[in-house]
Amino acid sequence: NAGVTQTPKFQVLKTGQSMTLQCAQDMNHEYMSWYRQDPGMGLRLIHYSVGAGITDQGEVPNGYNVSRSTTEDFPLRLLSAAPSQTSVYFCASSHYGTGTFRGSYEQYFGPGTRLTVT
Amino acid sequence: SQQGEEDPQALSIQEGENATMNCSYKTSINNLQWYRQNSGRGLVHLILIRSNEREKHSGRLRVTLDTSKKSSSLLITASRAADTASYFCATDRENSNYQLIWGAGTKLIIKP
Repeated sequence: NAGVTQTPKFQVLKTGQSMTLQCAQDMNHEYMSWYRQDPGMGLRLIHYSVGAGITDQGEVPNGYNVSRSTTEDFPLRLLSAAPSQTSVYFCASSHYGTGTFRGSYEQYFGPGTRLTVT
Repeated sequence: SQQGEEDPQALSIQEGENATMNCSYKTSINNLQWYRQNSGRGLVHLILIRSNEREKHSGRLRVTLDTSKKSSSLLITASRAADTASYFCATDRENSNYQLIWGAGTKLIIKP
């Protein structure tokens, strides 16, 4: 199993450019999410999905779009890059359920994408 | 806003000593998780403790949870140089689709 893969590993954008960060997982996880990590801060949730066709906003969704057409893939789109979006972006996946085990599950993280916007 | 806050922000100890990190949170939770992040890498899951559990062990790791004080601690015994990393706690609020809220982390340095 490859686990969670992210591409690219590094990216430099100019202000106003758009791009898509790719994320894929091969563990058949229902739950996928995108975080950004800035120096001295914990992870902040951008968007998440609890299954194909279902997405929702996290704590810092502005300037980002997501879609979930398959269980495996969860791309993150930057619509018009701004310097404030300079960050390290992590994709994560996990199981998700509301049965006997309520609550979050162990998250599997990708290696991250380091994005710089000039 | 941050749900979990780790304390201390940084910790430097000698190899072989024990390291203790604390996490406090604000609202009722289902579970609390601890993760490790080596420099420049993704996060790796260490332990998940449910709200109805008080203590959990995994190898040299011991996690405690006190829901009355809304706090958790992570103890690493007999530390090794390879334990040098940042450690994060994450909590999922009840009725939130289990979104995880993360603390800013504790940076642990193990001196040889």
